[in-house]
Parts: sequence; C-alpha cells; structure tokens
Amino acid sequence: GAVVSQHPSRVICKSGTSVKIECRSLDFQATTMFWYRQFPKQSLMLMATSNEGSKATYEQGVEKDKFLINHASLTLSTLTVTSAHPEDSSFYICSARNPGTGGAQSEKLFFGSGTQLSVL
Amino acid sequence: AQKITQTQPGMFVQEKEAVTLDCTYDTSDQSYGLFWYKQPSSGEMIFLIYQGSYDEQNATEGRYSLNFQKARKSANLVISASQLGDSAMYFCAMREGYKAAGNKLTFGGGTRVLVKP
Repeated sequence: GAVVSQHPSRVICKSGTSVKIECRSLDFQATTMFWYRQFPKQSLMLMATSNEGSKATYEQGVEKDKFLINHASLTLSTLTVTSAHPEDSSFYICSARNPGTGGAQSEKLFFGSGTQLSVL
Repeated sequence: AQKITQTQPGMFVQEKEAVTLDCTYDTSDQSYGLFWYKQPSSGEMIFLIYQGSYDEQNATEGRYSLNFQKARKSANLVISASQLGDSAMYFCAMREGYKAAGNKLTFGGGTRVLVKP
C-alpha cells in the first residue's frame, strides 16, 4: 500500500488563486520531504527540500515566495502555489524516505501519487 | 553538464523478451546511490531498484537487475521477461554524497518503454 499520501490528485483553479497540496508520510516520520515538478513528457525537477521545523531549501531558480512550503509536523509537508498562473500548470509530486527500515531499503524514496495542477 | 543521461527516449520490446535501458551518470563524489523508478501513465513513481556506489555486486529485484559498471559510470537497468504491464516511463536517478546528507535525487530524462504483445 501507499506509504506517502498526496492530496489532491487533481486540481483546476482560476488564475490568481492559491492552491495547497498536502504530502503525508504514513506509518513513518519524515524529517525531510522533497517536492518535484514535472512538465509533460519531461523529467522530474527538484523544487525544494522540506525540513521539519525549519525553513525549506529551494533549488536555484525556484521562487520561494511563489511556492510556499510548510513542514509543521513529522508526517506532513504542504506546498502552496500562490497566485497561480497558467505557467504554473504542471504535475507536482512529493517524496519522503523512511529511515527506519535500515539497510538498502532505507535508501528507497517513497513518492506520493502526484497532483496535476491546471490553472485556467 | 547533465548528471544523469538516458540516451534512449523510447523503445519497443516484444513481450517475454529482455530489455536493457541505458543510464550514465556524472559525479565526483565517492559515495553515491543510483536508482531506477517506473512511472506508468497514472503518474505515480514506483521504486524498482537501488545500487550503492560501494556495492560490489549488481543489485537485483525480481525481474529487474542493475548492470553497474563503476569505471564507465553506467547503471543500466535490465528487465527480463517483459510483460505488458511494464509499459511505462523509466527514470534513472542519482543521490550524491552519503545518504545521511539526505535523499535529494537528480533524475535523467527518462525512457519510454512500450511492450508489444
């Protein structure tokens, strides 16, 4: 079963509105979660690293005021796309690592099912 | 320079045959990890296999095996006995540095595999 839950799976919004995407780790605590963005037929690009209890670390070129990340608990990270515009339309996907499994399995990053954002 | 290169944008494979997906990487770190993920049309990312830079043996997970050639910096994925359900996008990814530093992954451009009946 899924160990990382992402919600919503699909959202359509009007330009100028804000959209919040949730990423939850199930059955394990994730001090660090990652947010990726994927355009159609392209690869995943890391946007930011979400750190529990501290500020997120953004990749170069990603606007932190545009993409607000909050990691308020060990099982929940949220990505808010503020004042969304059509160019923000994309597939957003989060991931987390379960460090408790140990060995090679602890290397495995679990991904959420992704959120398809369409901004009209 | 790209850190992860997948030179095959797409390929067909006959059902029940084996297929090799190419992946080369570039890093100056001594400790790193290599991953393969499968992304079906639904969008979810499914972990397939992991190879650590210090692992001497090639990783295997069921029908998946990773052909790790460290000197050549390649980490090809081999899928044996292809099934129709293997049709998907496949991504090679790398974690640089020791795993305690985090699991930030860099992904390659992907290879789309279509399995023909």
